Amino acid sequence: AQTVTQSQPEMSVQEAETVTLSCTYDTSESDYYLFWYKQPPSRQMILVIRQEAYKQQNATENRFSVNFQKAAKSFSLKISDSQLGDAAMYFCAYSDYKLSFGAGTTVTVRA
Amino acid sequence: EAGVAQSPRYKIIEKRQSVAFWCNPISGHATLYWYQQILGQGPKLLIQFQNNGVVDDSQLPKDRFSAERLKGVDSTLKIQPAKLEDSAVYLCASSSDETGVAENTIYFGEGSWLTVV
Repeated sequence: AQTVTQSQPEMSVQEAETVTLSCTYDTSESDYYLFWYKQPPSRQMILVIRQEAYKQQNATENRFSVNFQKAAKSFSLKISDSQLGDAAMYFCAYSDYKLSFGAGTTVTVRA
Repeated sequence: EAGVAQSPRYKIIEKRQSVAFWCNPISGHATLYWYQQILGQGPKLLIQFQNNGVVDDSQLPKDRFSAERLKGVDSTLKIQPAKLEDSAVYLCASSSDETGVAENTIYFGEGSWLTVV
């Protein structure tokens, strides 16, 4: 079974600064997809960014970017120019035929 | 485009009682998922449907949980009898693929919060 590990339970960042969230995963597959989801207190899961494993280029969505290292099975998320609205729980997720989540990282943004 | 709809949003029941949650996926989405999210943890897949057939229910506690998807659209998740450890948010999600291909994005509803006392 695939496992997703997020080693940082909590991260704090100053508004307008940059924060990086770590994620590693375990798989024997070569073709898969990776995602970062944001979950505010309302518990709605919001897709932040996705990465196809066959693409070497790192995905970017506005202030959010990833560092995908396939050989190391690492998939980190960088939030640049952090805003107060970025405060939430962030989940790393892996998918081949089903979506598996890590335990999450709580991000707080200091004004 | 309407999102994934879930009801009820909040439910409080006593242990050993029963509860049912309803989910209406995004129109046209063939795949429907039920996840259980206990406070402080990541979501855990309970069951995955493709149209009205079950793709994966390996983590569904079948002695007390059941789920169905009639006509390949709406779905109901039932818990009977409920235990204290069933207190969680139950997230329904859907995706448009018909073959369970990973590339299709999964969209989530707002969740149904269950408290068992």
